[in-house]
This record gives sequence, C-alpha cells and structure tokens, in this order.
Amino acid sequence: DQQVKQNSPSLSVQEGRISILNCDYTNSMFDYFLWYKKYPAEGPTFLISISSIKDKNEDGRFTVFLNKSAKHLSLHIVPSQPGDSAVYFCAASLTGNQFYFGTGTSLTVIP
Amino acid sequence: NAGVTQTPKFQVLKTGQSMTLQCAQDMNHNSMYWYRQDPGMGLRLIYYSASEGTTDKGEVPNGYNVSRLNKREFSLRLESAAPSQTSVYFCASLFSGVYEQYFGPGTRLTVT
Repeated sequence: DQQVKQNSPSLSVQEGRISILNCDYTNSMFDYFLWYKKYPAEGPTFLISISSIKDKNEDGRFTVFLNKSAKHLSLHIVPSQPGDSAVYFCAASLTGNQFYFGTGTSLTVIP
Repeated sequence: NAGVTQTPKFQVLKTGQSMTLQCAQDMNHNSMYWYRQDPGMGLRLIYYSASEGTTDKGEVPNGYNVSRLNKREFSLRLESAAPSQTSVYFCASLFSGVYEQYFGPGTRLTVT
C-alpha cells in the first residue's frame, strides 16, 4: 500500500506563475519530508526538505508547506521558469533510514 | 568528486541469468540505498545499508541480494533474473543525520 501519494501525474503552468505540487501521506510516524527533482535519464536531485516539527521552509523560489493534521505537504515554486520542467517526487523518512517516495508529478512550465 | 557512480548504465538479460549492479560513492557517506523505479510506481526501496557491515530489507527485496563491500561500495545482485525485474535501478547515499540523499544516474535493466 502506497504510504506517500502524489495524485496529480502532471501539471502545466505558464512561465512566471506559481506551480503548486501536492503530496499526501498516511504514516504519522514520518519525521522528515523531502522534494526531489528528476530530469530524464538522470537520477533524482534534492530540492528542499522540511522537518515534521515545522510547517514551512523556504529556499529561494521554492517553499514547502507541511500540514500534519491533514497529512499533506505541498511544494510552491514562484515564479515558475521553463528550466523547472521536470518530474518532482516527494519523499518521507522514517528515522532517516527508510524513505518512501510518491509516484511523481511531471511539471511543464510553458514559456 | 564523482558523487555516486553506477555501472553498467544499460543491461539486457535473459530470464534466469544473473548479474550484479555496482554502486560506489566518494562522499564518505555512511548509508547507501538501492531503489527501483517503475512507471506509475515512483521509487521503491529494495535494500539499504545504514553503515558498513549492515544491510536491511526495504519494501521490495524479493529476488535481490546486496553486499556492502566497504564504506564506498554497495552492490545489488539478481541471482535469477525475471521479466518483472525490468526496471531502472538507482543507487543513493547519505550522511547519517542528514536526510538528503544523493542519487546515481541509474541502470536501465531489461529482462527478456
């Protein structure tokens, strides 16, 4: 059973607008959440993370929000740029040993 | 720094053949991981090694074995390949206490 879910397989956004990618999880024991970006034929690369004791973390154009009561996190990218076009995976950690990934959302930023 | 390297990049096997996927990291990381990525399934953890000399099963360990040869190297072995093992395999590593994983470029395996 999938413990981390990304229900939107794809998302298209105009350049300069906000991109919002969503992720839901089922296990309340997850202690850390991460977002990775993946280009075709490459491995995922780390983007931004958030501890379960926080509700927001910002890094430049990227902000991650965590709503523990809803078991939901989201990644906001603003403004979106064509180079942001990639597949985005959310991941959740159990004590820093095991990691569970969502199925990914393919973001297309239209110039 | 090369980061995380994986060999081979591509491999085609016949059902029943065996092979070993190699992974090495030069970042002095303690933990190493093997994942498989299948369409519509995301990345699923096969095995991980929290430190040299230890290995543990992940979500989908059946049909695989691993060896943590030393701190740098973590190999994944398919003893008798099956078509269901057709996938893209990623190795990753991280430094204990830091949750960010570094991934290799992947091995695309096809079993016919």
